[in-house]
Amino acid sequence: DAGVIQSPRHEVTEMGQEVTLRCKPISGHNSLFWYRQTMMRGLELLIYFNNNVPIDDSGMPEDRFSAKMPNASFSTLKIQPSEPRDSAVYFCASSLGVYNEQFFGPGTRLTVL
Amino acid sequence: QQPVQSPQAVILREGEDAVINCSSSKALYSVHWYRQKHGEAPVFLMILLKGGEQKGHEKISASFNEKKQQSSLYLTASQLSYSGTYFCGTAYQTGANNLFFGTGTRLTVIP
Repeated sequence: DAGVIQSPRHEVTEMGQEVTLRCKPISGHNSLFWYRQTMMRGLELLIYFNNNVPIDDSGMPEDRFSAKMPNASFSTLKIQPSEPRDSAVYFCASSLGVYNEQFFGPGTRLTVL
Repeated sequence: QQPVQSPQAVILREGEDAVINCSSSKALYSVHWYRQKHGEAPVFLMILLKGGEQKGHEKISASFNEKKQQSSLYLTASQLSYSGTYFCGTAYQTGANNLFFGTGTRLTVIP
């Protein structure tokens, strides 16, 4: 099993640029989560999907953030325009059903200059 | 809605025991525990559900006190491999998959 796959692993960009983070969940999992982790705020849930449908996006900080899940095997998190305070590690996780463990991807370390 | 963890950090010698606490100001439906090593992704340890059901690893135990709205993770006979940051994630609704994570407890085990 390949686990959750995220790309890129590292992204350095300049303020104002568009950033797209990608995630491939574990095959067969029906829930997908996007998290952001910083020293100041810890691990925050941004949005989660169930069966490709966004269920809760209350954690998305601003309209600059958007997420899509066009099919069961792919999701994107987009930031447009990016700002230095968006610098963080972004994790994608997937799970099967409710009350089951979430499998985290390796994360994308984003640096906005 | 973020739960509060204590202690923030703890240093142990191999073989010693530790308890990490997770408290919520709201009624909990489930508590999830994860461990994250530096530079890596969080890894699942255990889930505790309202009503007493538990899912997790044999060598790690935890408790869930619904009345007190808190959970505790028990690490016994610690090993060097236990080092890392431990997070609790809480869910407040039946059937809810979205978790609110605490700020973490950094555990360091030394020889």
